[in-house]
Amino acid sequence: AQSVTQLDSQVPVFEEAPVELRCNYSSSVSVYLFWYVQYPNQGLQLLLKYLSGSTLVESINGFEAEFNKSQTSFHLRKPSVHISDTAEYFCAVSEDFGNEKLTFGTGTRLTIIP
Amino acid sequence: ETGVTQSPTHLIKTRGQQVTLRCSSQSGHNTVSWYQQALGQGPQFIFQYYREEENGRGNFPPRFSGLQFPNYSSELNVNALELDDSALYLCASSFPGQLYGYTFGSGTRLTVV
Repeated sequence: AQSVTQLDSQVPVFEEAPVELRCNYSSSVSVYLFWYVQYPNQGLQLLLKYLSGSTLVESINGFEAEFNKSQTSFHLRKPSVHISDTAEYFCAVSEDFGNEKLTFGTGTRLTIIP
Repeated sequence: ETGVTQSPTHLIKTRGQQVTLRCSSQSGHNTVSWYQQALGQGPQFIFQYYREEENGRGNFPPRFSGLQFPNYSSELNVNALELDDSALYLCASSFPGQLYGYTFGSGTRLTVV
């Protein structure tokens, strides 16, 4: 069965500093990988996804993630964070191409310090 | 506006009662999934409906059931509520052929006392 591990439950970062949120997955088959962001009292918003092709995927707001099959990782990075990046970030994996079921990690709370 | 509306936003129920949560998707979104997000946890897949038929189910007991209607709305029903059912319930829908193109609603916060 697939599973996702987010190693850090909370990550405090100074504004304009770089950040990396770690995500490792476990699966015996090919997977599709996702990062979602959740702002307070809101639902989930897709940040970026890896389905195939280039292992480096980027979002429109400066985040990027790299699929590393040998290390079974999909870490999220941003070179310079802003106050508006404060949110909960969830890594997710799907190996069921049929019903597109997502398995989520427990989340990482990113707090930006002014 | 996300295009997926959930109601109510908050709800308090007593243990043993039954509850119905509602989700209204955009026109054309014929796939809808429901997730349970307990406090401090990631969302967990409950089930998915495609064209009004259940299309996959997570590790949830039968007292969790659902319906999907032709007007792109859906329901999550939970019978015999337990304290551990307290959570944020999220609905996500997508167009056919839009691979993993889910739009999530803002959720219903259910508290069981």
